[in-house]
Amino acid sequence: GAVVSQHPSWVICKSGTSVKIECRSLDFQATTMFWYRQFPKQSLMLMATSNEGSKATYEQGVEKDKFLINHASLTLSTLTVTSAHPEDSSFYICSARGTSVRGGTDTQYFGPGTRLTVL
Amino acid sequence: AQSVTQPDIHITVSEGASLELRCNYSYGATPYLFWYVQSPGQGLQLLLKYFSGDTLVQGIKGFEAEFKRSQSSFNLRKPSVHWSDAAEYFCAVGANNAGNMLTFGGGTRLMVKP
Repeated sequence: GAVVSQHPSWVICKSGTSVKIECRSLDFQATTMFWYRQFPKQSLMLMATSNEGSKATYEQGVEKDKFLINHASLTLSTLTVTSAHPEDSSFYICSARGTSVRGGTDTQYFGPGTRLTVL
Repeated sequence: AQSVTQPDIHITVSEGASLELRCNYSYGATPYLFWYVQSPGQGLQLLLKYFSGDTLVQGIKGFEAEFKRSQSSFNLRKPSVHWSDAAEYFCAVGANNAGNMLTFGGGTRLMVKP
């Protein structure tokens, strides 16, 4: 299947700093990218949906000024957690929607996730 | 509003035994249904999906799922579980075949006894 990468896979930062997480679709152009948050032993919660070249659509309760999303190209979306605090510690997963160059149907492919720990 | 319920938080089965993970959904229109598997510290891998046609769908790794509209269910099954199947399994309902606007269930953690 198609490949979606995330970088970094694991990051530790001090409270008050900002952290940027990258999500790349490696072998297809993603018309839409999604960002999810997953707390330990819980399900995924959709944070926002982004389309290339336009502003992201945030889910209710997600602070857009706190979680900045930039969808700069059809293969790259970034999530920046600004002024991070310990309660922002979580597993962040991106996904990208598109059709792999290897064929198949338009579907959503998930990245491996980024574990953020804020001290 | 769409919602997904996975009644079993944890399930333990013996290796070689059969498996069924339950999923019930609530959706106003024709549902697009998905099952994903997540290994520890990893992202999600799509096992199978249903949006139309045959109500019994085959997926990867020997998994299958049956859509039952009358019961609003989409249960995942495997006839013989392998130790490598131990993971977290998520059922999800989406707005279309590509999985837009996915709503996930709470997940079921599968443990496999040797």
